[in-house]
Amino acid sequence: GAGVSQTPSNKVTEKGKYVELRCDPISGHTALYWYRQSLGQGPEFLIYFQGTGAADDSGLPNDRFFAVRPEGSVSTLKIQRTERGDSAVYLCASSAGQGGTEAFFGQGTRLTVV
Amino acid sequence: QKEVEQNSGPLSVPEGAIASLNCTYSDRVSQSFFWYRQYSGKSPELIMSIYSNGDKEDGRFTAQLNKASQYVSLLIRDSQPSDSATYLCAWEPARQLTFGSGTQLTVLP
Repeated sequence: GAGVSQTPSNKVTEKGKYVELRCDPISGHTALYWYRQSLGQGPEFLIYFQGTGAADDSGLPNDRFFAVRPEGSVSTLKIQRTERGDSAVYLCASSAGQGGTEAFFGQGTRLTVV
Repeated sequence: QKEVEQNSGPLSVPEGAIASLNCTYSDRVSQSFFWYRQYSGKSPELIMSIYSNGDKEDGRFTAQLNKASQYVSLLIRDSQPSDSATYLCAWEPARQLTFGSGTQLTVLP
């Protein structure tokens, strides 16, 4: 596609529910990143994929968060038993290679846990 | 922990002035540095990348990198009200992009 696409753009869910956030990267980009951004803060790293594998998942805050990229393209971020503190904008970015290449962001998914 | 620190904001400059934004980072290994611009309610947009010591110019923007001092900056010449946004510096200490907290810039007409 022409750019990184994230769906949904907005998601409101009740505390304790399960949510999935989807990211469709730029065609041909092997690297995919997930970030979380709270108001007034810079993006906080969650996980980085190179191809199908998670090259670095050190940013995932706890075991309620999980992400997959089964075919090396689309990725899904999954959050179980959502908490109000999970409310944030979740950003996805992709780049063409391993490190040192420019990353481009999608428009983000605003998650609100009520 | 490998971190990047941005100069505290917010920063206000008059239209036509030079805006100077700065970041320091915590180790000397990283080779790649980036500046992103983020308008309110929007996602970050890449505006500059720099990989070598020295200056890199692109239109009204100049990125400056000093690896010995672990310092990267962004200069915006002839600032315009449309430049008002949050500017994020980013680097890659371990192949994943790490961001500073951002500096909010306001260009006053």
